[in-house]
Amino acid sequence: DVKVTQSSRYLVKRTGEKVFLECVQDMDHENMFWYRQDPGLGLRLIYFSYDVKMKEKGDIPEGYSVSREKKERFSLILESASTNQTSMYLCASSLNRQGTHGYTFGSGTRLTVV
Amino acid sequence: GQNIDQPTEMTATEGAIVQINCTYQTSGFNGLFWYQQHAGEAPTFLSYNVLDGLEEKGRFSSFLSRSKGYSYLLLKELQMKDSASYLCAASTNRDDKIIFGKGTRLHILP
Repeated sequence: DVKVTQSSRYLVKRTGEKVFLECVQDMDHENMFWYRQDPGLGLRLIYFSYDVKMKEKGDIPEGYSVSREKKERFSLILESASTNQTSMYLCASSLNRQGTHGYTFGSGTRLTVV
Repeated sequence: GQNIDQPTEMTATEGAIVQINCTYQTSGFNGLFWYQQHAGEAPTFLSYNVLDGLEEKGRFSSFLSRSKGYSYLLLKELQMKDSASYLCAASTNRDDKIIFGKGTRLHILP
């Protein structure tokens, strides 16, 4: 089974801090994604990557950046955390670009910015 | 524009059947996903429909009509563990993105 592991389940950070959310997958998938999930807004795509060192902006990239130095690891960076970035962050990976075999999601990181 | 609509909440009784509808308007449509998400957990993949028609997987079935921009997820013999949110999502060939609906929260009553 594909496993997608997110380093932290819960995080509390202060406004202005730089925050790193780590995601590792163990099935050699090329495609990885970062979403945030908020009540009433559903899943929104922040950034995605189809290959090492490659990144593409999703629908809401402002205030975020990403890093994909190794195939198995996709990191989300909040350059200067703000309270409106309090959310559930979900990482996902897929076998192909269209995700036709489904995305496998990590268990999520609930980030609170105070 | 890209849009996916599904009901916010539904309630059904244990042992019954429930149908969760989803309509979509997307350019470059490829196929339609359904995911299940229990509270506080990650979404898990249920089904992916590319062709029109009904696909059955045990107690769960998913239907797609491409001409109508419509899909539904049918859950039979409901169990308490089926209480979850169900996410409809469209795969597109526009940057190969998947667009998620906001999810339908399904409550199962004993």
